Amino acid sequence: AQSVTQPDIHITVSEGASLELRCNYSYGATPYLFWYVQSPGQGLQLLLKYFSGDTLVQGIKGFEAEFKRSQSSFNLRKPSVHWSDAAEYFCAVDTSGTYKYIFGTGTRLKVLA
Amino acid sequence: SQTIHQWPATLVQPVGSPLSLECTVEGTSNPNLYWYRQAAGRGLQLLFYSVGIGQISSEVPQNLSASRPQDRQFILSSKKLLLSDSGFYLCAWYGGNTEAFFGQGTRLTVV
Repeated sequence: AQSVTQPDIHITVSEGASLELRCNYSYGATPYLFWYVQSPGQGLQLLLKYFSGDTLVQGIKGFEAEFKRSQSSFNLRKPSVHWSDAAEYFCAVDTSGTYKYIFGTGTRLKVLA
Repeated sequence: SQTIHQWPATLVQPVGSPLSLECTVEGTSNPNLYWYRQAAGRGLQLLFYSVGIGQISSEVPQNLSASRPQDRQFILSSKKLLLSDSGFYLCAWYGGNTEAFFGQGTRLTVV
């Protein structure tokens, strides 16, 4: 069955430190790939997406993600974290082109001042 | 521009009571509409999907139902709530661009 794994439930980093959030998917082909951020009690905001082409994609708020086909991964990175980045991050895939997302369980990011 | 509205923002309901959550989209026509649920300690799970008025696809068996009485209105319902229905419910729409857009969500607590 298709699935998305975010192995880190919680991550804590210091402000200014670099960040990498992991995402692996299980699917026979390359799906559409997304990263969303959710602030407490809020809906989801798209950070970036990958459909095809250049495997390093740039998003909003200084985030980037790299698609690695050999590892079925789509890890999210930021070189310098800001306190306002504290939120929950969700990786999602769309395997059918219908935007019926399969989400990972999310990674909650805490930023230390 | 397109916007999506969900209400209410929070809801506390007793077990066995009915439920109605509403989602409306503005600024687009014939969108695909989705209901997701985020239960405590779990990720977001797709509950229902609709490509048009009266066309509902249920993605998981459950105590809930969905209806789409108008093109841009999507309603999530239950006749009798269970404790396990508690969670954060998100409505989303897709209209031919390259992402789905999410509402602000409804926090449902069943007591």
